Amino acid sequence: QQQVKQSPQSLIVQKGGISIINCAYENTAFDYFPWYQQFPGKGPALLIAIRPDVSEKKEGRFTISFNKSAKQFSLHIMDSQPGDSATYFCAASIRDSGGSNYKLTFGKGTLLTVNP
Amino acid sequence: GAGVSQTPSNKVTEKGKYVELRCDPISGHTALYWYRQSLGQGPEFLIYFQGTGAADDSGLPNDRFFAVRPEGSVSTLKIQRTERGDSAVYLCASSLTPWAGEQFFGPGTRLTVL
Repeated sequence: QQQVKQSPQSLIVQKGGISIINCAYENTAFDYFPWYQQFPGKGPALLIAIRPDVSEKKEGRFTISFNKSAKQFSLHIMDSQPGDSATYFCAASIRDSGGSNYKLTFGKGTLLTVNP
Repeated sequence: GAGVSQTPSNKVTEKGKYVELRCDPISGHTALYWYRQSLGQGPEFLIYFQGTGAADDSGLPNDRFFAVRPEGSVSTLKIQRTERGDSAVYLCASSLTPWAGEQFFGPGTRLTVL
């Protein structure tokens, strides 16, 4: 059972355009939603994260939109650049009894290509 | 400061052999995690250490997989009697504490079982 469903599988955007990647989750106990960026041959790196008490979080060109009732969240990359070309993963986790969100459940990833 | 390092970067082995994969976390990070990433998939959680102890090993697929962190720093993931289905990139991550939020990932070890 895939707990975090990510779409699209791949995305091609022109330089300067907006890239949008969507994720949907099933487990309402999830309470931490990070997005990771991964370049070939490298490990994933945290881009931005959100908790369900806010509907939107922006950091530079990256914005997470969160819809708790729909159990969906999305990543928006404004003014996309060729250097943004990478694989993006959404993830979710449940806070454990000790208060930490250590166990990340990842989506399958989206390969973003930004054409110059 | 150095990030998370993993050795070897690539490991090719034959079915049935034993392998060890090493992870050096960021200095001072108390929490350490192992994930497995198959081709075209997101990372899957294997095990989490807080200090020297395995706080959660629920993601280990079977008893052929074992991990240790004897001194609370370096960790080794051990796989016995490797199978072709074990082929994947094994990622290690660390965080300052398990409550710190961000997990810093290493580049991974690509394991190929022939």
